[in-house]
Amino acid sequence: GQQVMQIPQYQHVQEGEDFTTYCNSSTTLSNIQWYKQRPGGHPVFLIQLVKSGEVKKQKRLTFQFGEAKKNSSLHITATQTTDVGTYFCAGGGNMLTFGGGTRLMVKP
Amino acid sequence: DGGITQSPKYLFRKEGQNVTLSCEQNLNHDAMYWYRQDPGQGLRLIYYSQIVNDFQKGDIAEGYSVSREKKESFPLTVTSAQKNPTAFYLCASSRTDNYGYTFGSGTRLTVV
Repeated sequence: GQQVMQIPQYQHVQEGEDFTTYCNSSTTLSNIQWYKQRPGGHPVFLIQLVKSGEVKKQKRLTFQFGEAKKNSSLHITATQTTDVGTYFCAGGGNMLTFGGGTRLMVKP
Repeated sequence: DGGITQSPKYLFRKEGQNVTLSCEQNLNHDAMYWYRQDPGQGLRLIYYSQIVNDFQKGDIAEGYSVSREKKESFPLTVTSAQKNPTAFYLCASSRTDNYGYTFGSGTRLTVV
């Protein structure tokens, strides 16, 4: 079956530093979605990418979908303490397959 | 506002007892899902339903049961057959095209 892997599992950064998490699928994806889960909270949908090579931005967050539609990345520029949480990618198809998540910790 | 409601937020049960977790949505979504999340881990799919009166097993269905008698409701029963039931349970719903799952706030189940 489809597998979605995310790296790194954890990332500590100093406030103001950049952060990137990577998502890789064993199969071609029809779309990729990204979610954020704050500590103690539930996942919240951030964005969906559909097209090969697509890039979307939300303020300091940049999302990319690979040309082969098998990988994706989320880049946060100049992290803030409000960015703390776990970021999940999820591969689309008949239903979503979630990656294991990257937990971001930001030191003020 | 439309949303998805899980209750209760915290639940404590004795080992050997069945327990039912509630999940209700008023988003008019066709599909609903149950996930389990263990500390520091990702989301593992327990059951899903894409239409009323039909549901499918996910990756870790053993020891769980569900029903989907109404579009709005998708309760999950954790049975005594589930070996390690203590976890954070998340319910989600989506449109038929799977765009942007909406998650409930979750139920933290502790079995002692």
